[in-house]
Amino acid sequence: GQQLNQSPQSMFIQEGEDVSMNCTSSSIFNTWLWYKQEPGEGPVLLIALYKAGELTSNGRLTAQFGITRKDSFLNISASIPSDVGIYFCAGQLQGGSEKLVFGKGTKLTVNP
Amino acid sequence: DAGVTQSPTHLIKTRGQHVTLRCSPISGHKSVSWYQQVLGQGPQFIFQYYEKEERGRGNFPDRFSARQFPNYSSELNVNALLLGDSALYLCASSSRDYRSYNEQFFGPGTRLTVL
Repeated sequence: GQQLNQSPQSMFIQEGEDVSMNCTSSSIFNTWLWYKQEPGEGPVLLIALYKAGELTSNGRLTAQFGITRKDSFLNISASIPSDVGIYFCAGQLQGGSEKLVFGKGTKLTVNP
Repeated sequence: DAGVTQSPTHLIKTRGQHVTLRCSPISGHKSVSWYQQVLGQGPQFIFQYYEKEERGRGNFPDRFSARQFPNYSSELNVNALLLGDSALYLCASSSRDYRSYNEQFFGPGTRLTVL
């Protein structure tokens, strides 16, 4: 089945540092979404991207829809302890159903 | 406004039993999707329902079934439970309006443990 390759798998950073993570695929996507999941909770939508090349910000978070439509990245600036969690990319395939295909997640740990 | 709600929160079953999970979407949302998330993985798509009709099905066996009711709430049923069905089952709703067509909002999930 379709897969999203998300990297890195985990990150250990100091408070105040910037973070970057990305997702790639061999398939073309119409939509890219970025979610954050904390223990015992469902994923929370952070950013949605709908156009190739689109760059969207949500506070300290910035995400981009790759020009080839096969990749996306998420940046977090000036990290704080509450940024801890697992970040997932998700995409909706071109010509596919409305199902979302998810990456395996990037686990972020922020040391105060 | 209330988000997506799911019940029960946790459930323990034994192999061979069946289970029904329930989901209420965000008010005004007519589309509901179900996902299975096993530990250490991203969610995997199971079903999508819109206006009470199945609009998509993932690669899951026929033991999995779902339906959507006139009030847009939904049930996921799993028969003949296997140990491998142990997972967090997530429900997501979306409005399917033009501006936010694929934005899916998730509930807290139901943690199913099969013994």
